[in-house]
Amino acid sequence: GQQLNQSPQSMFIQEGEDVSMNCTSSSIFNTWLWYKQDPGEGPVLLIALYKAGELTSNGRLTAQFGITRKDSFLNISASIPSDVGIYFCAGHGTGANNLFFGTGTRLTVIP
Amino acid sequence: DTGVSQNPRHKITKRGQNVTFRCDPISEHNRLYWYRQTLGQGPEFLTYFQNEAQLEKSRLLSDRFSAERPKGSFSTLEIQRTEQGDSAMYLCATQTSGRGFGPGTRLTVL
Repeated sequence: GQQLNQSPQSMFIQEGEDVSMNCTSSSIFNTWLWYKQDPGEGPVLLIALYKAGELTSNGRLTAQFGITRKDSFLNISASIPSDVGIYFCAGHGTGANNLFFGTGTRLTVIP
Repeated sequence: DTGVSQNPRHKITKRGQNVTFRCDPISEHNRLYWYRQTLGQGPEFLTYFQNEAQLEKSRLLSDRFSAERPKGSFSTLEIQRTEQGDSAMYLCATQTSGRGFGPGTRLTVL
């Protein structure tokens, strides 16, 4: 199967700081998605990217689809306590119906 | 709100028992997916429906697993003769812009 490496695995930051996490793939993806998951809940879609080089924002979140189509990053600006959770990248290639997920970045925001 | 509900939210069962989970999309979605998520990992694809037809199955879906979507709306996932390794969160998703996931069913096999 396709390998998605997500880093860092975990982050501890102070409230108000900016956060950056990224995801790299062993193969080309046509779509990159970023999700946030709270304990005991399903993943919630944050940002979807459909085109290489695309830079998309959603409030304090910004994500980019890498030009090589093998990577993506997610930035969170001015973090707040409710940003705490696990962030997953996901992607799929041409014609593929299944999403491949990274292993997640666990974010802790210290007030 | 992704418009996907799952029941039950939690299930504890003894090894060897059969369990069934249900996924209900609120509105009609052609595509419906099942994923499994173990602790510390991202979700892994299990199977996919286009309306009533089950079009794709992962190698993770052993012969003890069966999924149905009889009327192209709700779907069920059954696990027969459960094993401790089946303990996981089972997630249902529909094709929206991206993938709208339900809250999941957490299965614990004792």
